Amino acid sequence: TQLLEQSPQFLSIQEGENLTVYCNSSSVFSSLQWYRQEPGEGPVLLVTVVTGGEVKKLKRLTFQFGDARKDSSLHITAAQPGDTGLYLCAGAAGNSGYALNFGKGTSLLVTP
Amino acid sequence: NAGVMQNPRHLVRRRGQEARLRCSPMKGHSHVYWYRQLPEEGLKFMVYLQKENIIDESGMPKERFSAEFPKEGPSILRIQQVVRGDSAAYFCASSPYFEHSNTGELFFGEGSRLTVL
Repeated sequence: TQLLEQSPQFLSIQEGENLTVYCNSSSVFSSLQWYRQEPGEGPVLLVTVVTGGEVKKLKRLTFQFGDARKDSSLHITAAQPGDTGLYLCAGAAGNSGYALNFGKGTSLLVTP
Repeated sequence: NAGVMQNPRHLVRRRGQEARLRCSPMKGHSHVYWYRQLPEEGLKFMVYLQKENIIDESGMPKERFSAEFPKEGPSILRIQQVVRGDSAAYFCASSPYFEHSNTGELFFGEGSRLTVL
């Protein structure tokens, strides 16, 4: 099993602040996905990154895939209470891309 | 709601009973995946099915667990003789296809939460 370590585990910030959460592994992934999960709900895909060094932007969210395809980061600019949730990274290895390895997530709370 | 539908949302069973969890994929999706989320753990892949075929069950426990996706009707994850350690959230996901490039998007349902007393 290829482990994905997410940090921090919990993060509480005020509206308007910036933040970065990390997803690290000693293994190489063919692609890496970020999901957001609300309590009692299933994960919802935010982005997929495939190429080492790739940067993708989704409004105030910026995702980066490490050059070696072993790590990734998610940066949120000017966080809003609606950003509150559990952020999960998931890596796909080889040709079994559907057998995603998920991290335990970063639980983000944004207070007004 | 055209999303992935799972039921029941919550299921309580006593040790030794059977649990059946159902999943209807998104319209037009023919690939179904089951994942399990244990307390304090990340989601873990269990099984990948297409209609009437199990493609990959490498994540399924060897005993008591089985899955099917019949030609008609939902996919079913069946757990026989449940034990307390089976208490978890079971998520189903679907996709229209899975490219070899492994960038396919999985659409997850809201999950079925099994509690074993």
